[in-house]
Amino acid sequence: DAGVTQSPTHLIKTRGQQVTLRCSPKSGHDTVSWYQQALGQGPQFIFQYYEEEERQRGNFPDRFSGHQFPNYSSELNVNALLLGDSALYLCASSVLMNTEAFFGQGTRLTVV
Amino acid sequence: AQRVTQPEKLLSVFKGAPVELKCNYSYSGSPELFWYVQYSRQRLQLLLRHISRESIKGFTADLNKGETSFHLKKPFAQEEDSAMYYCALMNSGYSTLTFGKGTMLLVSP
Repeated sequence: DAGVTQSPTHLIKTRGQQVTLRCSPKSGHDTVSWYQQALGQGPQFIFQYYEEEERQRGNFPDRFSGHQFPNYSSELNVNALLLGDSALYLCASSVLMNTEAFFGQGTRLTVV
Repeated sequence: AQRVTQPEKLLSVFKGAPVELKCNYSYSGSPELFWYVQYSRQRLQLLLRHISRESIKGFTADLNKGETSFHLKKPFAQEEDSAMYYCALMNSGYSTLTFGKGTMLLVSP
C-alpha cells in the first residue's frame, strides 16, 4: 500500500490562474480531508469529503472547491490564485468514524 | 471556537535530557487530542493520541482537563527525536483536526 499519494509534488502558478491538486487515499479509506500549511504554521483545515459530498468546511473562501470521485480519490481546486495561496497543501485520508488520519507528502504551490 | 496553542517554536536539548513540549487547547466539549510528528523530508504522521494512553518511541502525553493541557514528554531525548511536533484537536464527529503551530525539537549530541 503506497499510502496517501498526492500530485503534483510542486508547481508554480501566476496570480489569477486556477490550479487543481490531486489526492489518492490510502487503500480502504473513504474520507478525504484537505489542509493548507503556510510557512511556519500548522496545517489549517480546508474541507472534508465523504461519499462524494463536502461534509465539513473550514474558514476558506469559495475560491477553494473540491470533488471526490467514486473511487474515493479527490481534487482540490483553487480559482483566481492570490500570492497568499502559496503554501503546502496536504491531503489526509481516514475511515469515517475512525479518528486516525493518514497524510500525504503534500503539494507545494507557489504563486508568483 | 476551538484552538490549540503551542507556545514554543523551538526547543533545543542535549541527548539524554528530559523533554516536554507544551500544548494547551480551548474546546467546549470533551476533547480528543493528538500529537503528530514530521521528521525531515517525511510526511506528517501520528505519534500518539490521548484515548489510547500508550507510549510511542518513549513519548507519553497526559490530558489534563483542569489545565486544558496535553503536554508531550520523554524522559531521555535521543538525536533521532529531532523533528517538528504538532499538537492537534479533533472536531467531534468529523475526524477533522485543528493544529497548533508546531514546535521544532532539536536534540544535540
